[in-house]
Amino acid sequence: NAGVTQTPKFRVLKTGQSMTLLCAQDMNHEYMYWYRQDPGMGLRLIHYSVGEGTTAKGEVPDGYNVSRLKKQNFLLGLESAAPSQTSVYFCASSQLGYGYTFGSGTRLTVV
Amino acid sequence: GNSVTQMEGPVTLSEEAFLTINCTYTATGYPSLFWYVQYPGEGLQLLLKATKADDKGSNKGFEATYRKETTSFHLEKGSVQVSDSAVYFCALSLFYGGSQGNLIFGKGTKLSVKP
Repeated sequence: NAGVTQTPKFRVLKTGQSMTLLCAQDMNHEYMYWYRQDPGMGLRLIHYSVGEGTTAKGEVPDGYNVSRLKKQNFLLGLESAAPSQTSVYFCASSQLGYGYTFGSGTRLTVV
Repeated sequence: GNSVTQMEGPVTLSEEAFLTINCTYTATGYPSLFWYVQYPGEGLQLLLKATKADDKGSNKGFEATYRKETTSFHLEKGSVQVSDSAVYFCALSLFYGGSQGNLIFGKGTKLSVKP
């Protein structure tokens, strides 16, 4: 009963490098979300998806791209990492009437 | 727009003290309300929720009542323990045309409980 799994858990990038964060859920949820958490800012929505093949922008989408080619996976990409993207990233999934389940987070540092 | 405002921390209490963390919201429509807890180094766990006015959510001794008239969802616990030390987030979600919206979070309140 894995729930929502995020990989990797930690990563250090150099400015300008690219990377992809993977989120996988095994609950057959329709909705998936990427948030970033910064001190004193709470969690802010980056992108979300309401079903396989769909994506939409959230509150802070600049510098990120996402894809949902399979229902169980939601990928977050950083094309050219910047120090401002140093953060803890959380993925979540939900299903109507069943609440939201969060992954354990990815701590990303951009130097 | 839709937003959540919660009291700023940190909040420091002695063990067995009474806890209140205030949360108010602004929403177009009728949101569902949530409290999440984040223990150090971990992800977010749902603590409790309420889906309509006057509902009371409760879990692990924590309670919160959905007050539509004051647009509030204050978190309370009668006697805190050291193990309750964590960051607490108030959040709301809305439904749009049968679809579930994303969670909108407050900035979080850090609670430290001293023995």
